[in-house]
Amino acid sequence: GAGVSQTPSNKVTEKGKYVELRCDPISGHTALYWYRQSLGQGPEFLIYFQGTGAADDSGLPNDRFFAVRPEGSVSTLKIQRTERGDSAVYLCASSFSYGKDNEQFFGPGTRLTVL
Amino acid sequence: KQEVTQIPAALSVPEGENLVLNCSFTDSAIYNLQWFRQDPGKGLTSLLLIQSSQREQTSGRLNASLDKSSGRSTLYIAASQPGDSATYLCAVKEYGNKLVFGAGTILRVKS
Repeated sequence: GAGVSQTPSNKVTEKGKYVELRCDPISGHTALYWYRQSLGQGPEFLIYFQGTGAADDSGLPNDRFFAVRPEGSVSTLKIQRTERGDSAVYLCASSFSYGKDNEQFFGPGTRLTVL
Repeated sequence: KQEVTQIPAALSVPEGENLVLNCSFTDSAIYNLQWFRQDPGKGLTSLLLIQSSQREQTSGRLNASLDKSSGRSTLYIAASQPGDSATYLCAVKEYGNKLVFGAGTILRVKS
């Protein structure tokens, strides 16, 4: 596709449930990033991948959050035992490669609501 | 820890007015600074990217400046239009490749 795509666009779940959020990066982009945006705030970094490996997961808030990118393309962000505080928009971005000059391109986000 | 602050938090102006949005950051060790636009319920659209070695970038009615030593950037919008209404986010890229964002300025341009 032409841009970064994310599915689903909206997800409503109940407290305690497990959710998976998917990101399809721009074709050929080797670096992939996840950010979380709470209401009225700017996005906050969660994790980024270079290829299949997580190069920096320092932004994951706790061990309920986990992300994978098994083939170096599509990535899935997994949240276990969801809490109401997890409600936010989860944004994915990709860049051609890792490096300071590589611009990140963002997807439309997945709005997660935990009831 | 890098902190990015944007002022004002919200701004309402009549159509045609020139305006300035402000962004400040606490650690000058950045690779670049980027301004984004976000429409309600949408993702981020990149407007301008200024490398750390640059002083400004221009695109159409938009001009962004960067003073790395003082930790400040401004986004200047000329002849504002109702279609400019959106949230404007400033982000710095620091070592480690991640972006650190401000909370944004909500702009409303009235017709």
